Amino acid sequence: ELKVEQNPLFLSMQEGKNYTIYCNYSTTSDRLYWYRQDPGKSLESLFVLLSNGAVKQEGRLMASLDTKARLSTLHITAAVHDLSATYFCAVVLASNYQLIWGAGTKLIIKP
Amino acid sequence: DAGVIQSPRHEVTEMGQEVTLRCKPISGHDYLFWYRQTMMRGLELLIYFNNNVPIDDSGMPEDRFSAKMPNASFSTLKIQPSEPRDSAVYFCASSADRGTDTQYFGPGTRLTVL
Repeated sequence: ELKVEQNPLFLSMQEGKNYTIYCNYSTTSDRLYWYRQDPGKSLESLFVLLSNGAVKQEGRLMASLDTKARLSTLHITAAVHDLSATYFCAVVLASNYQLIWGAGTKLIIKP
Repeated sequence: DAGVIQSPRHEVTEMGQEVTLRCKPISGHDYLFWYRQTMMRGLELLIYFNNNVPIDDSGMPEDRFSAKMPNASFSTLKIQPSEPRDSAVYFCASSADRGTDTQYFGPGTRLTVL
């Protein structure tokens, strides 16, 4: 059974700081997604990482994938308040291509 | 494209009533997914369709839940009878290809069963 664990589950930080969210998964997969959800809103796709060593960047967010370590990171650089949201990672289950979701990391960035 | 469309956006009903949630996927997408999101259980996949055919309904919690996709542009999720524990946000998502493409989510339906 594929399990996806995110940490931390909750993060409060100051604007201007850097931080990293971690996503670990338990079995082989070579495809991972990061989504963002604002309070009371839907989920918005941020990144899809397709291979070992993949790195994607959008503004102050950078995601990477290490399939050997079964680890993805979402790095936030010089955080700003607008990045406050819940961030989910989701891993593709190789046997049936189903997405297995992490519990989400609630990020609060204080001005 | 308008994206995935869901209706209603909010539904408040009493226990025992029938509830029908509706979804219109993005045009041209072959896969449609129904999810449920709660604080306690997070995001759960209920069922998904490929080319209007249900492929995996193992996430449907019990027989009170049913889903249909009569054509490529419309799907319903029905709960009959509804119970308070069904209160959640229900999302519909669609993708062009299950294995390799991103799932695009609708705005969700917030269901409250009193």
